[in-house]
Amino acid sequence: GEDVEQSLFLSVREGDSSVINCTYTDSSSTYLYWYKQEPGAGLQLLTYIFSNMDMKQDQRLTVLLNKKDKHLSLRIADTQTGDSAIYFCAENLYNAGNMLTFGGGTRLMVKP
Amino acid sequence: GAGVSQSPRYKVTKRGQDVALRCDPISGHVSLYWYRQALGQGPEFLTYFNYEAQQDKSGLPNDRFSAERPEGSISTLTIQRTEQRDSAMYRCASSERADRGSEQYFGPGTRLTVT
Repeated sequence: GEDVEQSLFLSVREGDSSVINCTYTDSSSTYLYWYKQEPGAGLQLLTYIFSNMDMKQDQRLTVLLNKKDKHLSLRIADTQTGDSAIYFCAENLYNAGNMLTFGGGTRLMVKP
Repeated sequence: GAGVSQSPRYKVTKRGQDVALRCDPISGHVSLYWYRQALGQGPEFLTYFNYEAQQDKSGLPNDRFSAERPEGSISTLTIQRTEQRDSAMYRCASSERADRGSEQYFGPGTRLTVT
């Protein structure tokens, strides 16, 4: 089956690192994505990782993939108040075209 | 360049009415996707098109929901005889290519409220 799970809420202080976690159950995932949703705005693609990779770094963002445990994480270094948003992980299954299955989202609150 | 646009941004309708939601993808993008997002949840796939051909409509909840993309560009999602449970944010996305891994860019969504 396809089930993507995320914790609901994360609170950090400005300047700290944030780590948002995601677990998925379908081992046939090929691409895994992180999207950011700000109030009143669409979903913004932040980064993605292909399933044959363990890690991907893009400026302040680091994505870690543990295929054995079906665990995906997004680390945001030097978190800023502008990073406050809801973060969604999403998987693209091998046999599902380009359709995405999303988690429920993690609300990140950054305190000054 | 222009991103994905959706109209209307907000739609309030009475139960039993039909509604049509429009999506204008990024110019030249081959694929177009519709998702529905309930409050406090992640988006849920409804259907998608490559060019004008509907590829997968397995996510449409029932036969009151239909979608078309007749010229391979703009798409319309139609909900007939709306019900209160249809209230949600309807999101459209497009991707440059049809293959797996082609990044999907989302529009701002249409918030539908059925009273």
